[in-house]
Amino acid sequence: ETGVTQTPRHLVMGMTNKKSLKCEQHLGHNAMYWYKQSAKKPLELMFVYNFKEQTENNSVPSRFSPECPNSSHLFLHLHTLQPEDSALYLCASTGTGETDTQYFGPGTRLTVL
Amino acid sequence: GQNIDQPTEMTATEGAIVQINCTYQTSGFNGLFWYQQHAGEAPTFLSYNVLDGLEEKGRFSSFLSRSKGYSYLLLKELQMKDSASYLCAVMDSNYQLIWGAGTKLIIKP
Repeated sequence: ETGVTQTPRHLVMGMTNKKSLKCEQHLGHNAMYWYKQSAKKPLELMFVYNFKEQTENNSVPSRFSPECPNSSHLFLHLHTLQPEDSALYLCASTGTGETDTQYFGPGTRLTVL
Repeated sequence: GQNIDQPTEMTATEGAIVQINCTYQTSGFNGLFWYQQHAGEAPTFLSYNVLDGLEEKGRFSSFLSRSKGYSYLLLKELQMKDSASYLCAVMDSNYQLIWGAGTKLIIKP
């Protein structure tokens, strides 16, 4: 596979469920990102990892928990979500240059009932 | 605060030309990106401008004026497959990307 992949593509969960989103990049990049995309709103940066270390946490509620076991894989663990968390969750990766282009995965469409 | 403004929606005709504007106010500037996002798909990179002027890539061109805090994406010879959202993003002084809400472009036959 090439580029950035995300699974699952669609997820429906209740507020008491626990689920995880997975992202994998095959580009040899060292930085990975989680974004939230809601309708008609700008992309919201949630978390940034550089060389497996978290370098950014944009005041994200603790019901979202990221994990980066290596530079190629990124997870977002979800628990006790709220209906307003329903959105498209996008993963992206980039190289080591500060102005390098971000490459995105296709996203996970999350619906919280 | 930091702000990126772009129109919410635009409509154009197949074969025509359309210009999507983006204005920004950010703390510092390290370049401006345009991405295309088809419904249900990943945003894909279109262009990067860091110096003033016009960058041309086939049917797509991107212009930047740093003094005016302004950019536009110009799409020529529009095709139905160009129907998508176009996202403008500015990299600030901390190398963080600040995103606009996107412009949904509808192409009519």
